[in-house]
Formats: sequence, structure tokens, C-alpha cells
Amino acid sequence: AQSVTQLDSQVPVFEEAPVELRCNYSSSVSVYLFWYVQYPNQGLQLLLKYLSGSTLVESINGFEAEFNKSQTSFHLRKPSVHISDTAEYFCAVTVPGSSNTGKLIFGQGTTLQVKP
Amino acid sequence: NAGVTQTPKFQVLKTGQSMTLQCAQDMNHNSMYWYRQDPGMGLRLIYYSASEGTTDKGEVPNGYNVSRLNKREFSLRLESAAPSQTSVYFCASLQREYNGYTFGSGTRLTVV
Repeated sequence: AQSVTQLDSQVPVFEEAPVELRCNYSSSVSVYLFWYVQYPNQGLQLLLKYLSGSTLVESINGFEAEFNKSQTSFHLRKPSVHISDTAEYFCAVTVPGSSNTGKLIFGQGTTLQVKP
Repeated sequence: NAGVTQTPKFQVLKTGQSMTLQCAQDMNHNSMYWYRQDPGMGLRLIYYSASEGTTDKGEVPNGYNVSRLNKREFSLRLESAAPSQTSVYFCASLQREYNGYTFGSGTRLTVV
């Protein structure tokens, strides 16, 4: 079975500072990895994903995540955060293939609090 | 706008009451899912429907039932609500695993 652990429940950071949100996963088979963002009182939106190939993936709003197979990690980073990045971030994993039926396993979530 | 629509957005129930949460998607996706979100626990899968005509239990199915009415609609029913079912419920749909889910905006349910 797969599992996801987000190592920090809350991450406070000042505006324009760098940030890293940590995610570790457990799986004995190859996986797809996702980061979702949830702004207050909204649903979840896909931020970025790793399927295969280049281990560094980027989003359109400046976030990036690096897949590290040996450390089973998929940490999310941004070099300079804005107030508008304040949200909850979820790491998720799925096992590709018909037997898994697309089910996503989510981590517990990390609340990013950007302070002025 | 294309996407996943959930109704209602808010609901307060008394213990023992029943209700159905509605979910509809207009993207012709094959698979649909119901999750609940609780503080510190992330999202946990209640039930899912991999394709029209099939439904299966997820991680936390007790106290819930589902119906895949057609390809567009996937409803979640609470037969006898309990305070432990106070949560935010999200419906999601999926066409291909590599695309990721499309989520609805959620239903905030309080059981008193």
C-alpha cells in the first residue's frame, strides 16, 4: 500500500522569502506524484505533477518540485513567496495502471502562512 | 463553466437525519470520487466509481452509500447522520491518471 507524509503541518514565512514544503511517500512500485493547492474556502487545484522523465517539475506561478527516488521525496519549493500564496498544500500519490482505478492517496496537508 | 458541481455548499443536520450530497461533472470523465477533509488528516477516500455502473469502497466508507446515476452524476448519501460525519466533502472526477483530479468546491456539513 502507498502512503504520503507531509512533514510540516504549518509553515510560517515572510513575504519574498524562500519556502520548502516537504513530502515523503512510501511505495514499492512506480508512482505518479502531485501537489494540490487549496485556497481558503475553495476546492483543490492541481499545482504540478511528476509522471516520469525530468525529476524537476515546475508550475506556472513559480513553484517547483523535485522527485527524488532514492529518498522517496517530492518536496515543493518557491524561491520568493507572495501573500497570495497563503493556502493549504497537499501532496498526493497514485499508482498508474488499471488495478488502482485512479485513486489518490493524500498527505495530511501543510498550511503555508505568508506574513507581510 | 466546465467542471465539477457540488450541491449543497453548506448543510446542517441533526443526528439521525438523512441527506444526499449531489455531484455532477460535464467533462465526460469516466471516474468519480468522494473524499472527506478533516483538519490534520488530509483527504480520505469514502467511495469511488471507476466507470459508469461500478462503485467501490474507499478508506472510510462506513455510514455512507453512493449511486453512480449516469456518467455525469455521482451522489453520496448519509442514511443516519452522526456528529463524526461533520466534515467538508469533496467530489472529484478523472479522465486519465496522468491528468490529475478535477475537484468540486466542496460541501461543508455539520451534524449536531
